[in-house]
Amino acid sequence: EPEVTQTPSHQVTQMGQEVILRCVPISNHLYFYWYRQILGQKVEFLVSFYNNEISEKSEIFDDQFSVERPDGSNFTLKIRSTKLEDSAMYFCASERANEKLFFGSGTQLSVL
Amino acid sequence: GESVGLHLPTLSVQEGDNSIINCAYSNSASDYFIWYKQESGKGPQFIIDIRSNMDKRQGQRVTVLLNKTVKHLSLQIAATQPGDSAVYFCAESHSGYSTLTFGKGTMLLVSP
Repeated sequence: EPEVTQTPSHQVTQMGQEVILRCVPISNHLYFYWYRQILGQKVEFLVSFYNNEISEKSEIFDDQFSVERPDGSNFTLKIRSTKLEDSAMYFCASERANEKLFFGSGTQLSVL
Repeated sequence: GESVGLHLPTLSVQEGDNSIINCAYSNSASDYFIWYKQESGKGPQFIIDIRSNMDKRQGQRVTVLLNKTVKHLSLQIAATQPGDSAVYFCAESHSGYSTLTFGKGTMLLVSP
């Protein structure tokens, strides 16, 4: 079965540093998402992306966050200046159109 | 605010038993519900979904029941196996297949 791939699987960074989390969605999918999960808590929506623009974002997705689809295959999440509370597992997800959502295995971000 | 929540944080069953995981939601506008399974170190994996115009849907060994009157969702797993051990999340959407709101999760532990 096709899958969403995310790199790196673990990312450790210092507070205030910029990080870029990378995702390769499933090739014929059109809708892309980032979710995050703080340890022991529920999965939270960050942002959705369609047709090269953000279609929806949550309160978590503030000015420190940005997303980009620089080419036909990658979908990235950038955190400009990381904070301790950004430590979480970040999941990329994609769907074709009105079909089920596929999640990647996640990137564990640790901000020190 | 609107939320989706689970009644039981941990459910322990014996192999071969039937398992029932429950979920309450509060958003009356929700029209699409999904159950996800999350194994350790992995992203959420789609199990089964149901739209609000249905009250029951069956898959392979799994059944989802929706009671819109009391805003309750359940996942039934027949003949539970050790491989079913994971955290199970319910999620809801009120705009079709886009942004999902996840519940907190229930840990299912299956003993051989």
